[in-house]
Amino acid sequence: DTAVSQTPKYLVTQMGNDKSIKCEQNLGHDTMYWYKQDSKKFLKIMFSYNNKELIINETVPNRFSPKSPDKAHLNLHINSLELGDSAVYFCASSQERTGDTGELFFGEGSRLTVL
Amino acid sequence: AQSVSQHNHHVILSEAASLELGCNYSYGGTVNLFWYVQYPGQHLQLLLKYFSGDPLVKGIKGFEAEFIKSKFSFNLRKPSVQWSDTAEYFCAVMIYNQGGKLIFGQGTELSVKP
Repeated sequence: DTAVSQTPKYLVTQMGNDKSIKCEQNLGHDTMYWYKQDSKKFLKIMFSYNNKELIINETVPNRFSPKSPDKAHLNLHINSLELGDSAVYFCASSQERTGDTGELFFGEGSRLTVL
Repeated sequence: AQSVSQHNHHVILSEAASLELGCNYSYGGTVNLFWYVQYPGQHLQLLLKYFSGDPLVKGIKGFEAEFIKSKFSFNLRKPSVQWSDTAEYFCAVMIYNQGGKLIFGQGTELSVKP
């Protein structure tokens, strides 16, 4: 069983479209995250949720909206896609709310290409 | 601003060579330190971590890292690399009590020639 799973793994779409990436973790963790990896391979946090509550919201355009229906799921919805949104998006989870003592478990990433 | 810097973007070694990947961070307070590895086509996996105590930490697959607080460094080492160590290596810093936010370096691609 995959601990943190994301779908889809690859997504190619046109500018202006709206798309979603789904993430599910079966580790029983309380906290989930979205990270964005740009073309230079920098990984940067976007959001984190703890038990459906938004904890971290970095400077991300409001076209990006995370949704957490329950603590095992954290989906990422992106409106009006732009070329600069092309990246690999990683979902992750951790056991503690603050994550200060635990490691993050990552999904395999979802590669988004905006044409 | 807090940042993590990895010195090498791409390292090419022959099998059995020794490895050291540099990592420096900029933050004066309490941090937790991590090295993650991403093998080709796979997800990020934790290689090792430092929270407190002995500054020399050992991880999986023979890797170790040393935290030198005075140098704000957390370099990764392995005495003898194998072809299977070919991967992308990411250093990361977690600022204490900031909600689990990891700040990553830009990664170092390691290619090991058989």
